[in-house]
Amino acid sequence: DGGITQSPKYLFRKEGQNVTLSCEQNLNHDAMYWYRQDPGQGLRLIYYSQIVNDFQKGDIAEGYSVSREKKESFPLTVTSAQKNPTAFYLCASSVNTGGLSYNEQFFGPGTRLTVL
Amino acid sequence: RKEVEQDPGPFNVPEGATVAFNCTYSNSASQSFFWYRQDCRKEPKLLMSVYSSGNEDGRFTAQLNRASQYISLLIRDSKLSDSATYLCVVRSILTGGGNKLTFGTGTQLKVEL
Repeated sequence: DGGITQSPKYLFRKEGQNVTLSCEQNLNHDAMYWYRQDPGQGLRLIYYSQIVNDFQKGDIAEGYSVSREKKESFPLTVTSAQKNPTAFYLCASSVNTGGLSYNEQFFGPGTRLTVL
Repeated sequence: RKEVEQDPGPFNVPEGATVAFNCTYSNSASQSFFWYRQDCRKEPKLLMSVYSSGNEDGRFTAQLNRASQYISLLIRDSKLSDSATYLCVVRSILTGGGNKLTFGTGTQLKVEL
């Protein structure tokens, strides 16, 4: 089955530790995205990647890092510099990266990160 | 002002009722508009796109007013299974290509017996 997988589903981290969230897709999508969702707020874009070996900062990139070494994979590292990392993290992907036509963003099931 | 604003609700309605959600957006250059549905503790999923002329998909009708920068979603004959949070989403073009989705905070719907 085609889709997006994220792991782990739940993650607990101690303050001061870096942690990496996995996102894999087998949809052959060019673009991938990371969002975080907090209670009472909409999804906010952290980073996005339009093509392999390229990525751009979103609206709230501080304290996060990403890599895009393979088309299928877009891992997100939450570093100790992120002041309030507890959130629901969602990865998404889409077919095309530009132009005027819309291509739906498909979301993975998300990772709930809790900092203890 | 938030880029995309929605009434958070909750909207508590009886089964079979008609309910309408509204959304306003601030970026007049926004290209495309959507409604996503998000069930509790799950990922958002596309419900429907919103076209300038208005569009319908079964019990769901979406409308767009570009002049007022206003989007709506109407649900007729609501079902228990419609209970979810409905996210208003606006797409804009990113510098250098690619598209960005800006999400509203969502409107919570609870359909009751």
